[in-house]
Amino acid sequence: AQTVTQSQPEMSVQEAETVTLSCTYDTSESDYYLFWYKQPPSRQMILVIRQEAYKQQNATENRFSVNFQKAAKSFSLKISDSQLGDAAMYFCAYSLYGGATNKLIFGTGTLLAVQP
Amino acid sequence: DAGVIQSPRHEVTEMGQEVTLRCKPISGHDYLFWYRQTMMRGLELLIYFNNNVPIDDSGMPEDRFSAKMPNASFSTLKIQPSEPRDSAVYFCASSWSGAYIGNQPQHFGDGTRLSIL
Repeated sequence: AQTVTQSQPEMSVQEAETVTLSCTYDTSESDYYLFWYKQPPSRQMILVIRQEAYKQQNATENRFSVNFQKAAKSFSLKISDSQLGDAAMYFCAYSLYGGATNKLIFGTGTLLAVQP
Repeated sequence: DAGVIQSPRHEVTEMGQEVTLRCKPISGHDYLFWYRQTMMRGLELLIYFNNNVPIDDSGMPEDRFSAKMPNASFSTLKIQPSEPRDSAVYFCASSWSGAYIGNQPQHFGDGTRLSIL
């Protein structure tokens, strides 16, 4: 069974600094997708970034980037130039590649605080 | 474009009552998912549908829970009878499988916060 582990329950960063959130996963599949979702206090689930496992290039979305290490089954999120609005719970998620199965398996989340 | 719409946003009811949560997916999406979020268990998938057909309901906790999708634009999650341990935030999400085999991102609704007294 696939599992997703986030070992940092809480993190803190100073405004304008860089922070990295860790995620590891376990799967025997070779094709899959990985995601980072943000959940602010409003409880919306907002997709931040996603990575296809077959792509070697790390995904980037503005200030958000990932470090995808397939062999190590590691998928960390880097937030550059942190802003107060980045404060939220961040969830790493896994989804099996293929049209028949789209369900997301989530980690337990990392609560990110941004200090002014 | 309208996102996934869930109702109600908050629901407070007494133990033993029937609870119905509603979801309208994004138009054109062919997958619909129901997730539950609790402090103890995090986010867990309850059930998902493809083209209105339930594909995997292995996450449904027990027979008190049921979900339906009578058409492409509406789904319900029902709990009868409700219990205090059902208190959680329930999310609905939808996605589009696309014209090729592959995963598309899921779009989440704002969730329903359910409190069973």
